[in-house]
Amino acid sequence: DGGITQSPKYLFRKEGQNVTLSCEQNLNHDAMYWYRQDPGQGLRLIYYSQIVNDFQKGDIAEGYSVSREKKESFPLTVTSAQKNPTAFYLCASSPGQTRQETQYFGPGTRLLVL
Amino acid sequence: AQSVTQLGSHVSVSEGALVLLRCNYSSSVPPYLFWYVQYPNQGLQLLLKYTSAATLVKGINGFEAEFKKSETSFHLTKPSAHMSDAAEYFCAVSGTGNQFYFGTGTSLTVIP
Repeated sequence: DGGITQSPKYLFRKEGQNVTLSCEQNLNHDAMYWYRQDPGQGLRLIYYSQIVNDFQKGDIAEGYSVSREKKESFPLTVTSAQKNPTAFYLCASSPGQTRQETQYFGPGTRLLVL
Repeated sequence: AQSVTQLGSHVSVSEGALVLLRCNYSSSVPPYLFWYVQYPNQGLQLLLKYTSAATLVKGINGFEAEFKKSETSFHLTKPSAHMSDAAEYFCAVSGTGNQFYFGTGTSLTVIP
């Protein structure tokens, strides 16, 4: 079945540690996105990528980094510079870049700080 | 610029009653609008979307939404609530480069 997978489901970070969240899609979509979800704040865009080897910052990119070396993969690293990383992280993809295209979401990763 | 406002962070309805979740948008270009549903600790699932083909859009699970340009609204409705409809609902508008701008969400409780 085609879809988006995120791993791990839960992730624990210690102070000063960088952690990486995985996102893989087998939908052959060009565009991929990372969102952060906090209670009562909806979803906020961290980074997005419209094509391999290219990505742009979203509204809250500080303290995060990404790479897009393969079409199907878009990992997110939460660096030690992100002082409040506890949140639910959602990865999404869409077929292309036109505004009417649906974004499809993965099941999410919940990041907790020890 | 694009933005979405969802009025009412929590809505409660009785089972079998009408569901109405409100969404107002702001967009500097013709809008494309989406409603998603999220169950606890899961990702978002598309309910329906408006892409200018028809103002009344029908989605999954009996939901529908009507695009009203004069009111800049895209409210979500369902004639008869079911217990399984209890979830968080998000309205979104797409912007440049297919960036989505989400509302803060409405949590729907269905009372038996």
